[in-house]
Amino acid sequence: DVVMTQSPLSLPVTLGQPASISCRSSQSLVHSDGNTYLNWFQQRPGQSPRRLIYEVSNRDSGVPDRFSGSGSGTDFTLKISRVEAEDVGVYYCMQGTHWPPLTFGGGTKVEIK
Amino acid sequence: EVQLVESGGGLVQPGGSLRLSCAASGFTFSNYWMSWVRQAPGKGLEWVANIKQDGSEKYYVDSVKGRFTISRDNAKNSLYLQMNSLRAEDTAVYYCARDRGFQHWGQGTLVTVSS
Repeated sequence: DVVMTQSPLSLPVTLGQPASISCRSSQSLVHSDGNTYLNWFQQRPGQSPRRLIYEVSNRDSGVPDRFSGSGSGTDFTLKISRVEAEDVGVYYCMQGTHWPPLTFGGGTKVEIK
Repeated sequence: EVQLVESGGGLVQPGGSLRLSCAASGFTFSNYWMSWVRQAPGKGLEWVANIKQDGSEKYYVDSVKGRFTISRDNAKNSLYLQMNSLRAEDTAVYYCARDRGFQHWGQGTLVTVSS
């Protein structure tokens, strides 16, 4: 199974400042079809998860452009250019290249300093 | 607007059974893989199972194989999860999600396995 490792576990940030979350996979996420199936999700307190980014860097509809995804192979990053209060929550990466099983990272909790 | 509404959760004793349902609307249900994902209290997300558009392929996480069965009824735009031989470690909020990339999620239904 592909193991997804996120860091840091907790990320205190100042409003208006940037934030960066790392996600590493135990093997390359490049699929034989050439795509890389790495997604990012946000889960605000008390809410269901919401997908932000699919296939490394594509923002879902309605996702603010302060969120961006990058990376390749086994190393991926989610960046928030300027953190807002509504960005508080837990962020998860997930791989869909080598499945079953589909696997998630352990999560990164973003909180305001 | 895509909507996924789960139901069927509740309190069940260890060894018991429960059937979860997910009612889908706002998209052509029969065109999409569908998935179940769970989240134990205070923990992260765990994929449980998914099913192909026509039901011909089904996949499960190892911990539920032989105990859980995913199914769908395209005529009713509904997804199901039959859970048997439930254990305390199955306690979680169960979400239904659209496709293998989890583009859309329901609000979840809580399953508590306890005596």
